[in-house]
Amino acid sequence: AQSVTQPDIHITVSEGASLELRCNYSYGATPYLFWYVQSPGQGLQLLLKYFSGDTLVQGIKGFEAEFKRSQSSFNLRKPSVHWSDAAEYFCAVGGGTDKLIFGTGTRLQVFP
Amino acid sequence: NAGVTQTPKFQVLKTGQSMTLQCAQDMNHNSMYWYRQDPGMGLRLIYYSASEGTTDKGEVPNGYNVSRLNKREFSLRLESAAPSQTSVYFCASRTVSTDTQYFGPGTRLTVL
Repeated sequence: AQSVTQPDIHITVSEGASLELRCNYSYGATPYLFWYVQSPGQGLQLLLKYFSGDTLVQGIKGFEAEFKRSQSSFNLRKPSVHWSDAAEYFCAVGGGTDKLIFGTGTRLQVFP
Repeated sequence: NAGVTQTPKFQVLKTGQSMTLQCAQDMNHNSMYWYRQDPGMGLRLIYYSASEGTTDKGEVPNGYNVSRLNKREFSLRLESAAPSQTSVYFCASRTVSTDTQYFGPGTRLTVL
């Protein structure tokens, strides 16, 4: 079955600390992987995506993610978190077809 | 470009009432989607339209109907609203060239 697992429902970090949000997927074909961010009361904004090639992808707002096929993972990282990064983060997988499968999200809280 | 727009932003209905959520995109995308977002469940696909004139069921289509009015517009109709349909509804459109979905700001619907 195709699925996305985000094992951390809620993460709290201090401003300036590093961040890693976990994402594991199950997909029968070559996956297309995405990270989206949702600020409170807003729609989803694309942070970054992986289709092929270099397994380390750079996104907006200083985020990066690494695709590890052997671990079926696509973890999101940021070296130094800012208070404005507080939001909900969604990992999603697709296969170049019409549908995406979303994880249940990780809510990030940032303390000053 | 406005991107993906949704109306209304908020709506309160009584059980049994009907309403239509409107979505429009100005990016000339072929594919459009309707999702619902519930706490702890991520985004679940209700219906999608791969191109003008076609619609397909997603993961949770029961209680909903859709119309792809033209390439720009994709509406979601609740014929007889139920409290279980209280949710935030997001419309999205997709560009094949980058296989990326772009989201609207959402409609928060409460059914009493």
